[in-house]
Amino acid sequence: AQSVTQLGSHVSVSEGALVLLRCNYSSSVPPYLFWYVQYPNQGLQLLLKYTSAATLVKGINGFEAEFKKSETSFHLTKPSAHMRDAAEYFCAVRISGGSYIPTFGRGTSLIVHP
Amino acid sequence: DGGITQSPKYLFRKEGQNVTLSCEQNLNHDAMYWYRQDPGQGLRLIYYSQIVNDFQKGDIAEGYSVSREKKESFPLTVTSAQKNPTAFYLCASRGLNQPQHFGDGTRLSIL
Repeated sequence: AQSVTQLGSHVSVSEGALVLLRCNYSSSVPPYLFWYVQYPNQGLQLLLKYTSAATLVKGINGFEAEFKKSETSFHLTKPSAHMRDAAEYFCAVRISGGSYIPTFGRGTSLIVHP
Repeated sequence: DGGITQSPKYLFRKEGQNVTLSCEQNLNHDAMYWYRQDPGQGLRLIYYSQIVNDFQKGDIAEGYSVSREKKESFPLTVTSAQKNPTAFYLCASRGLNQPQHFGDGTRLSIL
């Protein structure tokens, strides 16, 4: 079984501030982990993925995430927020070797203030 | 330019009416998926298909039906049995050992 919890349905930051979006997962076997971004009335776009290689994963738009097995976490960060980063962010998990059916978190809405 | 096309972008349904949402991909992907998105609930899987002429129910299949007669196409029908169909519907596809690739969605509303 697999599950993912995103802490905080909304996160508000000022432009230029650090962005931290939290994701904790539960998986009985080594997981694959993903972060997606969704802009209003659009589909999901892959930001980055962890597939058991390097624990620090760099993605598009300056985002990165670190896989921490001991904490069962995969938090998403960006050093300096930009207005264009305002969107909904989804964390997803799927187990390695299983059928490709990821489980998505409920999403975190990132609000960026000028 | 390859991608997934969902149409229409906005759809309105009358009570008791069936409607079909279109999803077409030209990425040559074998697997296709339909999700329902409601505010604050993330994505919930309706149906998925790993190969042509085969599909499986997801977590919330009741009131929905699909077909997979062609590799490129995976239409979703929202039947009158679906009592709360108002939502944003997302179609996705996936190539071998790749993450899912999403369309831009269809927003369904009840008149």
